[in-house]
Amino acid sequence: GAVVSQHPSRVICKSGTSVKIECRSLDFQATTMFWYRQFPKKSLMLMATSNEGSKATYEQGVEKDKFLINHASLTLSTLTVTSAHPEDSSFYICSAFTRDTQYFGPGTRLTVL
Amino acid sequence: DAKTTQPNSMESNEEEPVHLPCNHSTISGTDYIHWYRQLPSQGPEYVIHGLTSNVNNRMASLAIAEDRKSSTLILHRATLRDAAVYYCILRDKGTYKYIFGTGTRLKVLA
Repeated sequence: GAVVSQHPSRVICKSGTSVKIECRSLDFQATTMFWYRQFPKKSLMLMATSNEGSKATYEQGVEKDKFLINHASLTLSTLTVTSAHPEDSSFYICSAFTRDTQYFGPGTRLTVL
Repeated sequence: DAKTTQPNSMESNEEEPVHLPCNHSTISGTDYIHWYRQLPSQGPEYVIHGLTSNVNNRMASLAIAEDRKSSTLILHRATLRDAAVYYCILRDKGTYKYIFGTGTRLKVLA
């Protein structure tokens, strides 16, 4: 149990376009989900907390207008990277909170050309 | 946010026990201690968590110091598949947030 999926697993886009990443909890409901990014050889960095039915809470230094988060249901949160640029290229990972623990998705590799 | 300190890397021989240490001297009374591991290009995998008492599950054991300022993840018999980066994390009770440290890269030698 406690499986989290992400879609797509990898995406390549042109600079200036927007990309949407989906995070789903497959066998449980999650009021709270999280979004992280990870650069090569680095640790995970928390970007924002996504709460079902309310606005996301962003960490300091994360632009909320650039990284749009929507948590419209108890099993789905989406992250949209707007007007993506090469510096946004990274590994994006979501997690969903249940039973005192965060369960992580497999990650989405974003490459912006 | 509470912080954790782990060695950057460790090595172990296959089929031998591994003890991965973590210091968290600023832990508060309500912080849970969580351990995850991450393989390259994958999301972190849950290993174990605890609050005050030692914990065991099918993957590992977690030994928590009496003053809770440190903990040790124990893999009883390391296999090549256990090679990963292991993260020790303190979970904020109110926000459920995790702040990841640098983790320990475990290398298992055949």
